[in-house]
Amino acid sequence: DSGVTQTPKHLITATGQRVTLRCSPRSGDLSVYWYQQSLDQGLQFLIQYYNGEERAKGNILERFSAQQFPDLHSELNLSSLELGDSALYFCASSGGADSTDTQYFGPGTRLTVL
Amino acid sequence: AQSVTQLGSHVSVSEGALVLLRCNYSSSVPPYLFWYVQYPNQGLQLLLKYTSAATLVKGINGFEAEFKKSETSFHLTKPSAHMSDAAEYFCAVRMNTGFQKLVFGTGTRLLVSP
Repeated sequence: DSGVTQTPKHLITATGQRVTLRCSPRSGDLSVYWYQQSLDQGLQFLIQYYNGEERAKGNILERFSAQQFPDLHSELNLSSLELGDSALYFCASSGGADSTDTQYFGPGTRLTVL
Repeated sequence: AQSVTQLGSHVSVSEGALVLLRCNYSSSVPPYLFWYVQYPNQGLQLLLKYTSAATLVKGINGFEAEFKKSETSFHLTKPSAHMSDAAEYFCAVRMNTGFQKLVFGTGTRLLVSP
């Protein structure tokens, strides 16, 4: 158990809908990262937050957004969903901003868009 | 830009045999390198990491990897495979400055036969 929790574990929804994925980092970790894992794209970095502020953006679509709250949990919002958004979404956390910090991954949320 | 290449999407070994999973990186600056393992329906777990200290890095579950700058490689090895090692393994690279996104390889599925 990495100490990172993600809810829900599974999510099934229809095209055009909007969903919210939630992540609670390990106790004391200030950085939260979101990754998408799909069969065709592999593991892709989406976005990073550090202590409530956006730190870096990767291949995140404009239909997707995220935020980190004062209690350090994070939410990833996916809107106008398309079939191609079906994937496993991982959240990871690390202690600080140091690049040597290990990123600890949560168990993921499997999103299926029908 | 940084990138990682993992040679072989599948590697099959017999129980007790040597495990060798290959990873080559491309980076304009000295990188930090990581190996993660993903068991079915689970998140990613860190096996080991190289952050410019010793070039031979020992990790969990008997795995180790050697950073070879001249070959731009960071291959993962284990002297004797166990059935429980069957999983997907990901090599990842990260810059040693700036923001800390992980760039992952495409993964190698390790199959262990009795």
